[in-house]
Amino acid sequence: GESVGLHLPTLSVQEGDNSIINCAYSNSASDYFIWYKQESGKGPQFIIDIRSNMDKRQGQRVTVLLNKTVKHLSLQIAATQPGDSAVYFCAEKGSSGSARQLTFGSGTQLTVLP
Amino acid sequence: DTEVTQTPKHLVMGMTNKKSLKCEQHMGHRAMYWYKQKAKKPPELMFVYSYEKLSINESVPSRFSPECPNSSLLNLHLHALQPEDSALYLCASSLWTGAETQYFGPGTRLLVL
Repeated sequence: GESVGLHLPTLSVQEGDNSIINCAYSNSASDYFIWYKQESGKGPQFIIDIRSNMDKRQGQRVTVLLNKTVKHLSLQIAATQPGDSAVYFCAEKGSSGSARQLTFGSGTQLTVLP
Repeated sequence: DTEVTQTPKHLVMGMTNKKSLKCEQHMGHRAMYWYKQKAKKPPELMFVYSYEKLSINESVPSRFSPECPNSSLLNLHLHALQPEDSALYLCASSLWTGAETQYFGPGTRLLVL
């Protein structure tokens, strides 16, 4: 079946540096992508999303980049803060059938070092 | 208000017990979901309700029984669970099943002894 995967399971960055979390997807029919942040003991929290007709979208301190040619998604966090430490999941969604449900990637643990 | 609430936060139950998990949202969303999440793994979809009707059951064992009493409430009834069912159970909602953004609750941490 289709899957969404992440390149690295863990990422450590210094406080104040920028973070880049990567995600590869295999379903070329996916038309919507979303990043969630999950802190320890909490449910996933929506961060930012992007549709397949865009290649970049910016939020507050976060940017999502979509490269449909290589089926790659990334989340960039500017000036990473201790509160950014969490597991980050990418998820994708298609437009029909079972693909209309969210498919999650395996997650990346981001640790911010003081 | 983009809040989904879940009770209880934690639950410990024996394999012969019957318990229920509750989920509530007041965002007017008509799609509600149950997910199961094991440690260090992504959420796995269990059930989808659309307009208070079960639309997707991802081959979940019958010891898990969902219920949607009204458009704001979603329950998950548990009976005769196994230790391997211990996990974080997440509820989510979205405007409708085709809507992209799902909002998650904090989850119920379940331990089956």
